[in-house]
Amino acid sequence: TQLLEQSPQFLSIQEGENLTVYCNSSSVFSSLQWYRQEPGEGPVLLVTVVTGGEVKKLKRLTFQFGDARKDSSLHITAAQPGDTGLYLCAGELPNDYKLSFGAGTTVTVRA
Amino acid sequence: DTGVSQDPRHKITKRGQNVTFRCDPISEHNRLYWYRQTLGQGPEFLTYFQNEAQLEKSRLLSDRFSAERPKGSFSTLEIQRTEQGDSAMYLCAGSTGTGANVLTFGAGSRLTVL
Repeated sequence: TQLLEQSPQFLSIQEGENLTVYCNSSSVFSSLQWYRQEPGEGPVLLVTVVTGGEVKKLKRLTFQFGDARKDSSLHITAAQPGDTGLYLCAGELPNDYKLSFGAGTTVTVRA
Repeated sequence: DTGVSQDPRHKITKRGQNVTFRCDPISEHNRLYWYRQTLGQGPEFLTYFQNEAQLEKSRLLSDRFSAERPKGSFSTLEIQRTEQGDSAMYLCAGSTGTGANVLTFGAGSRLTVL
């Protein structure tokens, strides 16, 4: 059983559409991070959220951290083909020094 | 360039052979992590070092796996008597250990065991 459940597993949309990826857990995290990974490469950090209820925006990407710090979402507005990739959420438990990753959401944006 | 280098990028070996992967983090990375990732899955934690001390090992890390970080700088991950189930991407990541534990990953070493 994974600590973090991501949904959906796959998402294929047309350029210009919006999408949302969810990351849920029954555990409380001291921080939650989103990474994006392209084939054959390591994950690259997009954002870190640490405060319950926090919302961060990165151009067309909006990240939310749940009030109880157990869940998070990533919303992409007007998706572009360059947004294609594997999106991973990762949580840091209190007093733990490793990140636990979700299984990832594979996003494909068709031109 | 992420600043974390891994070598080799790809390794094909026959079952039963030993393989070793190397990771060079940036100098500010007090913590160094090894993760394993299989196709369609997120990275799974294997082990991590605080400077040269190995502080935690996952139950995924069988006794065929050994990792070292001898001088608190580069690290090696050795797999002895490889099995087909060891085929995966082995990712190294570093962090400074301050604030939220943000990981900077290398590009990974892909292992294929025939």
